[in-house]
Amino acid sequence: GAGVSQTPSNKVTEKGKYVELRCDPISGHTALYWYRQSLGQGPEFLIYFQGTGAADDSGLPNDRFFAVRPEGSVSTLKIQRTERGDSAVYLCASSSTYNSPLHFGNGTRLTVT
Amino acid sequence: SQQGEEDPQALSIQEGENATMNCSYKTSINNLQWYRQNSGRGLVHLILIRSNEREKHSGRLRVTLDTSKKSSSLLITASRAADTASYFCAFLMNRDDKIIFGKGTRLHILP
Repeated sequence: GAGVSQTPSNKVTEKGKYVELRCDPISGHTALYWYRQSLGQGPEFLIYFQGTGAADDSGLPNDRFFAVRPEGSVSTLKIQRTERGDSAVYLCASSSTYNSPLHFGNGTRLTVT
Repeated sequence: SQQGEEDPQALSIQEGENATMNCSYKTSINNLQWYRQNSGRGLVHLILIRSNEREKHSGRLRVTLDTSKKSSSLLITASRAADTASYFCAFLMNRDDKIIFGKGTRLHILP
């Protein structure tokens, strides 16, 4: 079956602009995670959904970051007033249950100029 | 930081040798997982070990878990050039059900 899909694969935006990053998880997966990864570092936890609700959003850096999953499937990570420090690869992953392995998408590489 | 610590940060070995990577964590966990990443994009799940398990095998991979020391190791036997990648441990915390990743080990297999 189809894996986790993330769009766009690359996004270049100017400082101060708004961006949306989309994640299509594997069908039927209830758990969905967003991570951010900088070069040479491990994935940094941002937010975790169980169904439609954000079970834990403690990793969101500040109130410029927001994520939704309105129907318990597709999720969108929204970043307002982007800053150069937001440049990174944003990874999405889903799993069938909270304690199952994660299936990752290929990520969105965000570059803020 | 809630992140796990991995060592070594980087490892270069000859093809055919065994590679061992270690991971330590700080909190009570439900399970610990190992992932592989090529070229800085999506990670691929390798193996999951639950907190009540001590050792697990999958092909050329062997994972151990010592919950008293809060540490795990990943052994890759008979390494191949194709094993060159970054390897990450990740643990599911009991406290709040989120999965936290370590900083990774960059493995380079020399031909």
